[in-house]
Amino acid sequence: RKEVEQDPGPFNVPEGATVAFNCTYSNSASQSFFWYRQDCRKEPKLLMSVYSSGNEDGRFTAQLNRASQYISLLIRDSKLSDSATYLCVVKANAGNNRKLIWGLGTSLAVNP
Amino acid sequence: EAQVTQNPRYLITVTGKKLTVTCSQNMNHEYMSWYRQDPGLGLRQIYYSMNVEVTDKGDVPEGYKVSRKEKRNFPLILESPSPNQTSLYFCASSPRPGQLAKNIQYFGAGTRLSVL
Repeated sequence: RKEVEQDPGPFNVPEGATVAFNCTYSNSASQSFFWYRQDCRKEPKLLMSVYSSGNEDGRFTAQLNRASQYISLLIRDSKLSDSATYLCVVKANAGNNRKLIWGLGTSLAVNP
Repeated sequence: EAQVTQNPRYLITVTGKKLTVTCSQNMNHEYMSWYRQDPGLGLRQIYYSMNVEVTDKGDVPEGYKVSRKEKRNFPLILESPSPNQTSLYFCASSPRPGQLAKNIQYFGAGTRLSVL
């Protein structure tokens, strides 16, 4: 089993749709969780951190379920500019190394 | 502007010809890291550095070297590149332990390397 697993998609949705991605992780001792966004052939950029209580940033909502070991990302009112790959990232409990475990990403295409 | 700068952005080379990819950050970050990204394999860590003169292997260090003589620079060295090192490379940095954002990594724009 991979340490971080995501549905690769692609998800094709119309503008204005609500779309949700899930990500599961295998290490129950994982400490920190993030969603990064990566546009084609560009660098990953932090979209949002995921807090235990869940958090929202505009149209984006992230949630963490430690018992079931998954995190989710909800995007409301999708825009064309939301088209990208969304990477689920988990910080491993690996001592000094600020090591992040990266999912392979979920591809989203928002269509007009 | 706060940023991580990688050079070159694109490089085509031949097997065995030593090359260096430079990485520089202007955010006074202590932690720096190199990744490679390949289709179906995602981002994999090559080497990381917790601070000046402190480097350690990541998941896929074979065929690579790094150095951290100054805080801002973290070059990636391929002494004898091979075709299986053809990949997209990213340098990243993050703040020191104790800072709120210490687990957030800031990436350079990437270096696309082709080894023929």
